[in-house]
Amino acid sequence: AQTVTQSQPEMSVQEAETVTLSCTYDTSESDYYLFWYKQPPSRQMILVIRQEAYKQQNATENRFSVNFQKAAKSFSLKISDSQLGDAAMYFCAYRGYSGGGADGLTFGKGTHLIIQP
Amino acid sequence: GAGVSQSPSNKVTEKGKDVELRCDPISGHTALYWYRQSLGQGLEFLIYFQGNSAPDKSGLPSDRFSAERTGGSVSTLTIQRTQQEDSAVYLCASSLGPGLAAYEQYFGPGTRLTVT
Repeated sequence: AQTVTQSQPEMSVQEAETVTLSCTYDTSESDYYLFWYKQPPSRQMILVIRQEAYKQQNATENRFSVNFQKAAKSFSLKISDSQLGDAAMYFCAYRGYSGGGADGLTFGKGTHLIIQP
Repeated sequence: GAGVSQSPSNKVTEKGKDVELRCDPISGHTALYWYRQSLGQGLEFLIYFQGNSAPDKSGLPSDRFSAERTGGSVSTLTIQRTQQEDSAVYLCASSLGPGLAAYEQYFGPGTRLTVT
């Protein structure tokens, strides 16, 4: 079974600074997807960024980028120029390729990101 | 367009009662997922529907849990004889379909269930 580990229960960063959230995972599959989701107090899970394992290039979405290290099974999220609206729980998630979606997402325990004004 | 909607937003029920949670996916999304989010267990995947069919129900926590989907759209998650450990936020998500399209799941706001 796949597992996803987020070792930082909480992180704090000053507004406008850069923060990196860590995620490691364990899998025996060679093809899979990795995601970072944001969950604000409204509970709505919002997809921040995704990475296909077969792509060597790290995904980037505006101020959000990932550092994907396939051999190390590491998938960290970097948030640049942090904004107050970035404050939320962040979840790292995994989905296998072979299941075709039927196996759902496997989530880490989450990191609570606090933005200090 | 409209996103995934769930009702009720919050539900308080007495132990032993049955509850029904509803999910309306995004129009045209054939795949639908249910997850449970609790303090102790984090986010757990419960069940997946492709159309009206759920190929694997092994993720449901116990036989008190059941789910169905009708017309390839609305889904209901039913919990019979609720227990306090069922207290959690139940999240629903939908996606365009299985396979590659399934990578993008859109989540609803969830139903917070409290069993007293």
